[in-house]
Amino acid sequence: SAVISQKPSRDICQRGTSLTIQCQVDSQVTMMFWYRQQPGQSLTLIATANQGSEATYESGFVIDKFPISRPNLTFSTLTVSNMSPEDSSIYLCSVDGGASINEQFFGPGTRLTVL
Amino acid sequence: AQTVTQSQPEMSVQEAETVTLSCTYDTSESDYYLFWYKQPPSRQMILVIRQEAYKQQNATENRFSVNFQKAAKSFSLKISDSQLGDAAMYFCAYVPQYYGGSQGNLIFGKGTKLSVKP
Repeated sequence: SAVISQKPSRDICQRGTSLTIQCQVDSQVTMMFWYRQQPGQSLTLIATANQGSEATYESGFVIDKFPISRPNLTFSTLTVSNMSPEDSSIYLCSVDGGASINEQFFGPGTRLTVL
Repeated sequence: AQTVTQSQPEMSVQEAETVTLSCTYDTSESDYYLFWYKQPPSRQMILVIRQEAYKQQNATENRFSVNFQKAAKSFSLKISDSQLGDAAMYFCAYVPQYYGGSQGNLIFGKGTKLSVKP
């Protein structure tokens, strides 16, 4: 399994500002995913990020609000732009299992609070 | 639309006892994967067990086993000899199987919060 780290682990931000979350993997992976987990809720996929191509966003999520970068096979960032209190959530990145098709491993998550 | 339903928002079990968490799903696909993930208060999502739909045999991982009923679209998780460390949110998840690589779009249920009483 892959070891995944996220920075920051938590943050408290002011309305209208932006936060960039980093996801680092200890091995090269093809696909990285970003999920949002609102308080007390399940996980919702924001977008899928492949290296060298534009991220693919799920319905209800747009690039202007959640720009994603994927500069190489071990790293990705998610930016939450122009934040509002409704963006307060845990944001998790995950990676595919490589040889284990359709299996994903998750990072520890970033807890974001917007005041 | 593909959906995953967990009908038990909360469950409680006595230490050393057995508990079963329920999950049903809806799909028109014939090939897919099902998972149970555990999320402790630390937030780290941990894969507990997986089941390939084409396999009739139920998956087992130590104290964890599943009852996979494909026709009924049911995928329950049984935890035997429950331990205090099993206390967590448990999420059932589904993904269709696409040959040639993962599409990654895990669909999660709303989760079941499991408490373990000493």
